Amino acid sequence: EDKVVQSPLSLVVHEGDTVTLNCSYEVTNFRSLLWYKQEKKAPTFLFMLTSSGIEKKSGRLSSILDKKELFSILNITATQTGDSAVYLCAFIRDDKIIFGKGTRLHILP
Amino acid sequence: GAVVSQHPSWVICKSGTSVKIECRSLDFQATTMFWYRQFPKQSLMLMATSNEGSKATYEQGVEKDKFLINHASLTLSTLTVTSAHPEDSSFYICSASSGTWNTEAFFGQGTRLTVV
Repeated sequence: EDKVVQSPLSLVVHEGDTVTLNCSYEVTNFRSLLWYKQEKKAPTFLFMLTSSGIEKKSGRLSSILDKKELFSILNITATQTGDSAVYLCAFIRDDKIIFGKGTRLHILP
Repeated sequence: GAVVSQHPSWVICKSGTSVKIECRSLDFQATTMFWYRQFPKQSLMLMATSNEGSKATYEQGVEKDKFLINHASLTLSTLTVTSAHPEDSSFYICSASSGTWNTEAFFGQGTRLTVV
Protein backbone atom coordinates (compact mmCIF):
# COMPACT_ATOMS: atom_id res chain seq x y z
CA GLU A 1 0.00 0.00 0.00
CA ASP A 2 1.33 3.41 -0.93
CA LYS A 3 2.15 5.67 1.97
CA VAL A 4 3.81 8.94 2.77
CA VAL A 5 5.01 9.75 6.28
CA GLN A 6 5.88 13.23 7.42
CA SER A 7 7.93 14.08 10.46
CA PRO A 8 7.81 15.68 12.83
CA LEU A 9 4.05 16.02 13.21
CA SER A 10 4.47 19.32 14.96
CA LEU A 11 7.36 21.70 15.50
CA VAL A 12 7.77 24.93 17.45
CA VAL A 13 10.87 27.09 16.95
CA HIS A 14 11.93 30.67 17.43
CA GLU A 15 12.08 33.22 14.69
CA GLY A 16 15.44 33.09 12.92
CA ASP A 17 15.91 29.36 13.43
CA THR A 18 16.38 26.94 10.56
CA VAL A 19 14.00 24.00 10.27
CA THR A 20 14.09 20.79 8.30
CA LEU A 21 10.89 18.93 7.56
CA ASN A 22 10.97 15.33 6.46
CA CYS A 23 8.85 13.29 4.11
CA SER A 24 9.45 9.60 3.47
CA TYR A 25 7.43 7.58 1.02
CA GLU A 26 6.69 4.17 -0.33
CA VAL A 27 4.90 4.59 -3.61
CA THR A 28 4.51 2.34 -6.60
CA ASN A 29 4.73 4.04 -9.96
CA PHE A 30 6.20 7.13 -8.33
CA ARG A 31 6.20 10.18 -10.57
CA SER A 32 6.78 13.27 -8.49
CA LEU A 33 6.76 14.56 -4.96
CA LEU A 34 5.20 17.88 -4.09
CA TRP A 35 5.41 20.24 -1.16
CA TYR A 36 2.58 22.56 -0.19
CA LYS A 37 2.07 25.18 2.49
CA GLN A 38 -1.36 25.40 4.04
CA GLU A 39 -2.36 28.29 6.23
CA LYS A 40 -6.04 28.95 6.81
CA LYS A 41 -7.45 27.93 3.49
CA ALA A 42 -6.35 25.87 0.52
CA PRO A 43 -2.76 24.70 0.09
CA THR A 44 -0.34 26.78 -1.90
CA PHE A 45 2.22 25.08 -4.07
CA LEU A 46 5.88 25.22 -3.08
CA PHE A 47 7.89 22.67 -5.05
CA MET A 48 7.57 19.73 -7.37
CA LEU A 49 10.47 17.26 -7.28
CA THR A 50 10.94 14.63 -9.90
CA SER A 51 14.68 14.05 -10.13
CA SER A 52 16.91 12.86 -7.35
CA GLY A 53 19.63 15.08 -5.92
CA ILE A 54 18.60 18.34 -7.55
CA GLU A 55 17.86 21.05 -5.02
CA LYS A 56 15.02 23.43 -5.70
CA LYS A 57 15.12 26.83 -4.05
CA SER A 58 12.67 29.64 -3.56
CA GLY A 59 13.91 32.39 -1.28
CA ARG A 60 14.49 30.93 2.16
CA LEU A 61 12.89 27.63 1.22
CA SER A 62 14.65 24.74 -0.44
CA SER A 63 13.88 21.11 -1.05
CA ILE A 64 15.57 18.01 -2.35
CA LEU A 65 14.52 14.50 -3.24
CA ASP A 66 16.41 11.25 -2.68
CA LYS A 67 14.81 8.54 -4.82
CA LYS A 68 17.20 5.88 -3.59
CA GLU A 69 16.41 6.35 0.09
CA LEU A 70 12.81 7.39 -0.70
CA PHE A 71 12.62 10.67 1.13
CA SER A 72 12.53 14.39 0.66
CA ILE A 73 13.34 17.29 2.93
CA LEU A 74 12.03 20.82 3.02
CA ASN A 75 14.38 23.36 4.54
CA ILE A 76 13.41 26.80 5.78
CA THR A 77 16.21 29.11 6.86
CA ALA A 78 15.91 32.29 8.94
CA THR A 79 12.32 31.45 9.79
CA GLN A 80 9.74 34.19 10.20
CA THR A 81 6.37 34.18 11.96
CA GLY A 82 4.74 34.16 8.54
CA ASP A 83 6.20 30.71 7.96
CA SER A 84 3.82 29.31 10.57
CA ALA A 85 1.61 26.85 8.69
CA VAL A 86 1.02 23.21 7.98
CA TYR A 87 3.48 21.89 5.40
CA LEU A 88 2.13 19.06 3.31
CA CYS A 89 4.10 16.54 1.35
CA ALA A 90 2.24 14.81 -1.47
CA PHE A 91 2.93 12.43 -4.30
CA ILE A 92 1.44 11.88 -7.69
CA ARG A 93 0.03 8.42 -8.27
CA ASP A 94 -2.04 7.50 -11.28
CA ASP A 95 -2.59 11.19 -12.00
CA LYS A 96 -3.88 11.84 -8.48
CA ILE A 97 -2.25 13.85 -5.73
CA ILE A 98 -2.15 11.97 -2.43
CA PHE A 99 -1.27 13.99 0.66
CA GLY A 100 0.63 13.14 3.80
CA LYS A 101 -0.68 14.20 7.20
CA GLY A 102 1.49 17.28 7.29
CA THR A 103 3.88 18.94 9.71
CA ARG A 104 2.43 21.76 11.77
CA LEU A 105 5.09 24.44 12.13
CA HIS A 106 4.77 27.29 14.59
CA ILE A 107 7.31 30.10 14.68
CA LEU A 108 7.57 32.03 17.93
CA PRO A 109 8.44 35.75 17.67
CA GLY B 1 -0.02 31.02 -12.09
CA ALA B 2 -3.32 29.57 -13.11
CA VAL B 3 -6.45 30.51 -11.19
CA VAL B 4 -9.06 28.16 -9.84
CA SER B 5 -12.14 29.73 -8.35
CA GLN B 6 -14.28 27.83 -5.88
CA HIS B 7 -17.70 29.00 -4.79
CA PRO B 8 -19.10 29.47 -2.24
CA SER B 9 -16.37 30.07 0.33
CA TRP B 10 -18.61 29.01 3.15
CA VAL B 11 -22.13 27.74 3.47
CA ILE B 12 -24.43 26.83 6.32
CA CYS B 13 -27.35 24.61 5.52
CA LYS B 14 -30.03 22.66 7.31
CA SER B 15 -29.77 18.94 7.75
CA GLY B 16 -31.47 17.09 4.90
CA THR B 17 -30.89 19.72 2.25
CA SER B 18 -28.44 19.53 -0.65
CA VAL B 19 -25.54 21.87 -1.28
CA LYS B 20 -23.72 22.49 -4.54
CA ILE B 21 -20.10 23.63 -4.67
CA GLU B 22 -18.61 24.95 -7.90
CA CYS B 23 -15.01 24.78 -9.04
CA ARG B 24 -13.95 26.80 -12.08
CA SER B 25 -10.63 27.07 -13.85
CA LEU B 26 -10.49 30.66 -15.01
CA ASP B 27 -7.60 30.78 -17.43
CA PHE B 28 -6.88 27.22 -18.50
CA GLN B 29 -8.71 24.10 -19.53
CA ALA B 30 -8.94 21.62 -16.71
CA THR B 31 -9.19 18.16 -18.16
CA THR B 32 -9.04 16.72 -14.66
CA MET B 33 -10.45 18.04 -11.41
CA PHE B 34 -10.00 16.59 -7.96
CA TRP B 35 -12.19 16.98 -4.92
CA TYR B 36 -10.75 16.80 -1.42
CA ARG B 37 -12.20 16.87 2.03
CA GLN B 38 -10.37 18.09 5.09
CA PHE B 39 -11.41 17.74 8.72
CA PRO B 40 -9.93 20.08 11.34
CA LYS B 41 -6.23 19.53 11.89
CA GLN B 42 -6.17 16.66 9.45
CA SER B 43 -4.75 16.31 5.98
CA LEU B 44 -6.57 16.51 2.70
CA MET B 45 -8.36 13.31 1.78
CA LEU B 46 -8.98 12.73 -1.89
CA MET B 47 -12.66 12.02 -2.50
CA ALA B 48 -12.87 11.68 -6.24
CA THR B 49 -11.26 12.43 -9.56
CA SER B 50 -13.34 13.79 -12.41
CA ASN B 51 -12.42 13.97 -16.05
CA GLU B 52 -14.34 16.23 -18.38
CA GLY B 53 -17.24 14.42 -19.97
CA SER B 54 -16.77 11.22 -17.96
CA LYS B 55 -18.14 9.81 -14.75
CA ALA B 56 -16.10 10.62 -11.68
CA THR B 57 -13.86 8.01 -10.09
CA TYR B 58 -14.47 7.83 -6.36
CA GLU B 59 -11.96 6.79 -3.73
CA GLN B 60 -12.74 3.86 -1.53
CA GLY B 61 -15.22 4.69 1.19
CA VAL B 62 -16.68 7.75 -0.53
CA GLU B 63 -20.40 7.41 -1.31
CA LYS B 64 -20.97 8.33 -4.91
CA ASP B 65 -24.70 8.80 -4.37
CA LYS B 66 -24.06 11.22 -1.55
CA PHE B 67 -21.34 13.26 -3.20
CA LEU B 68 -22.44 13.88 -6.76
CA ILE B 69 -19.73 15.17 -9.05
CA ASN B 70 -20.32 16.65 -12.45
CA HIS B 71 -17.59 17.78 -14.84
CA ALA B 72 -19.57 18.92 -17.82
CA SER B 73 -17.04 21.32 -19.31
CA LEU B 74 -13.30 21.91 -19.34
CA THR B 75 -13.67 24.82 -16.94
CA LEU B 76 -16.32 23.71 -14.48
CA SER B 77 -16.81 20.88 -12.04
CA THR B 78 -19.46 20.73 -9.33
CA LEU B 79 -19.75 18.75 -6.14
CA THR B 80 -23.25 18.32 -4.70
CA VAL B 81 -23.58 17.06 -1.16
CA THR B 82 -27.02 15.47 -1.15
CA SER B 83 -29.18 15.20 1.95
CA ALA B 84 -26.45 16.73 4.04
CA HIS B 85 -26.03 15.78 7.67
CA PRO B 86 -23.92 17.34 10.43
CA GLU B 87 -21.18 14.75 9.92
CA ASP B 88 -20.76 16.10 6.38
CA SER B 89 -19.59 19.40 7.85
CA SER B 90 -16.05 19.83 6.61
CA PHE B 91 -13.73 21.86 4.41
CA TYR B 92 -14.03 20.86 0.75
CA ILE B 93 -11.30 21.81 -1.71
CA CYS B 94 -11.08 21.30 -5.44
CA SER B 95 -7.98 21.28 -7.57
CA ALA B 96 -7.67 21.40 -11.32
CA SER B 97 -5.07 20.12 -13.70
CA SER B 98 -4.54 20.54 -17.40
CA GLY B 99 -3.55 16.92 -17.43
CA THR B 100 0.19 17.35 -17.74
CA TRP B 101 2.25 16.75 -14.68
CA ASN B 102 5.04 19.07 -15.70
CA THR B 103 3.24 21.61 -13.58
CA GLU B 104 1.33 21.37 -10.36
CA ALA B 105 -2.41 21.14 -9.98
CA PHE B 106 -4.00 24.39 -8.84
CA PHE B 107 -6.28 24.62 -5.86
CA GLY B 108 -9.48 26.50 -5.30
CA GLN B 109 -9.93 28.55 -2.15
CA GLY B 110 -12.00 25.85 -0.47
CA THR B 111 -15.56 25.75 0.84
CA ARG B 112 -16.37 25.42 4.50
CA LEU B 113 -19.63 23.54 4.85
CA THR B 114 -21.52 23.56 8.12
CA VAL B 115 -24.66 21.46 8.37
CA VAL B 116 -26.93 22.30 11.28
